[in-house]
Amino acid sequence: EAQVTQNPRYLITVTGKKLTVTCSQNMNHEYMSWYRQDPGLGLRQIYYSMNVEVTDKGDVPEGYKVSRKEKRNFPLILESPSPNQTSLYFCASSFKGTGELFFGEGSRLTVL
Amino acid sequence: EDQVTQSPEALRLQEGESSSLNCSYTVSGLRGLFWYRQDPGKGPEFLFTLYSAGEEKEKERLKATLTKKESFLHITAPKPEDSATYLCAAFFNTNAGKSTFGDGTTLTVKP
Repeated sequence: EAQVTQNPRYLITVTGKKLTVTCSQNMNHEYMSWYRQDPGLGLRQIYYSMNVEVTDKGDVPEGYKVSRKEKRNFPLILESPSPNQTSLYFCASSFKGTGELFFGEGSRLTVL
Repeated sequence: EDQVTQSPEALRLQEGESSSLNCSYTVSGLRGLFWYRQDPGKGPEFLFTLYSAGEEKEKERLKATLTKKESFLHITAPKPEDSATYLCAAFFNTNAGKSTFGDGTTLTVKP
């Protein structure tokens, strides 16, 4: 089954404790992207990757890191999480960044 | 600044009562305008892609149209299962890969 898998789905952590949210897709898509969704602010793009070893900033990259060492994986790293990074995070992928995105189920992160 | 604005924020309809959702955009070099459906607790699900003014796409009770400044999602004779949040998004020619989403319209269809 074609899918984008995110882990963990739910996480409560404390300020400053490094964490990684993993994202994996099985559709051989070149393009992957991370978004955060907050009430009243909609979906905002954090980082995206057009292909392996190619990443670029979206609208809200501060406090986040990404890497794209393999085509199928695009982890989101929070080196020192802060409470303003409490949010619902979505990973998405598409064939060549066409915009017809396949989204994961989301990861709800709470930073205390 | 590139912006995508959706209206209304929320829409409540009776079953069978047709209506339209609006997505206006102020972007330079629009590559494509996309519509997604999002159910509570789920990731958005792709519905339509529109590339040029005058284009229309249909799927069951939904029809998406595009002009040079806005897109409409028309819902004909909606059913309760059409209740969801509908998102529109723009992708750009100038910066391939970058996207801007609207805040969404939450549609509730009552039986």
